Amino acid sequence: AQSVTQLGSHVSVSEGALVLLRCNYSSSVPPYLFWYVQYPNQGLQLLLKYTSAATLVKGINGFEAEFKKSETSFHLTKPSAHMSDAAEYFCAVGSGGTSYGKLTFGQGTILTVHP
Amino acid sequence: NAGVTQTPKFQVLKTGQSMTLQCAQDMNHNSMYWYRQDPGMGLRLIYYSASEGTTDKGEVPNGYNVSRLNKREFSLRLESAAPSQTSVYFCASSEAGGFYTEAFFGQGTRLTVV
Repeated sequence: AQSVTQLGSHVSVSEGALVLLRCNYSSSVPPYLFWYVQYPNQGLQLLLKYTSAATLVKGINGFEAEFKKSETSFHLTKPSAHMSDAAEYFCAVGSGGTSYGKLTFGQGTILTVHP
Repeated sequence: NAGVTQTPKFQVLKTGQSMTLQCAQDMNHNSMYWYRQDPGMGLRLIYYSASEGTTDKGEVPNGYNVSRLNKREFSLRLESAAPSQTSVYFCASSEAGGFYTEAFFGQGTRLTVV
């Protein structure tokens, strides 16, 4: 069975500050890991995905995540927050096999960016 | 390029009423999914269809049925709606083959059962 835990349901930062959203996973097989972002009243959009080619993954809008197998973590970071980053962020682990979109999601982290 | 299209976007039902949520994708994906999103719980898988002609239960299937009408369309039916089914429903699709293939999501259907 797979599971995802996102530490902190709400994170608040000032514009220009570092963004750090935490994600820990549990998986019995090599994980397929994703970060999605959801803007208000919209669907989910892929930020980045772990492909095993590199442990540091770069995504859209300046976000990146580092896969640490020893810590079973896949934390999301951005060096400098922008007001437009305010959204809800979801970490997810995929089961692979024949249904790669069959995802187990964390509970989500709402990011607030203050001027 | 529409991607994944869900209808309707909003719906209010009375307890005991039935309805079908429609989903269509134009990316020629083999696999399709229905998730529900509730505050503080992330998204949970209701049903999925790995390929045309197959459907399987996800984490929270009770109270729902699905139909994979063809490769493009995957509908979700509530036979007798209950207040506990008040949620935002998302349809998604993905390619069946290849590693690290992400899911693409629709805009969601916001359902309220009163």
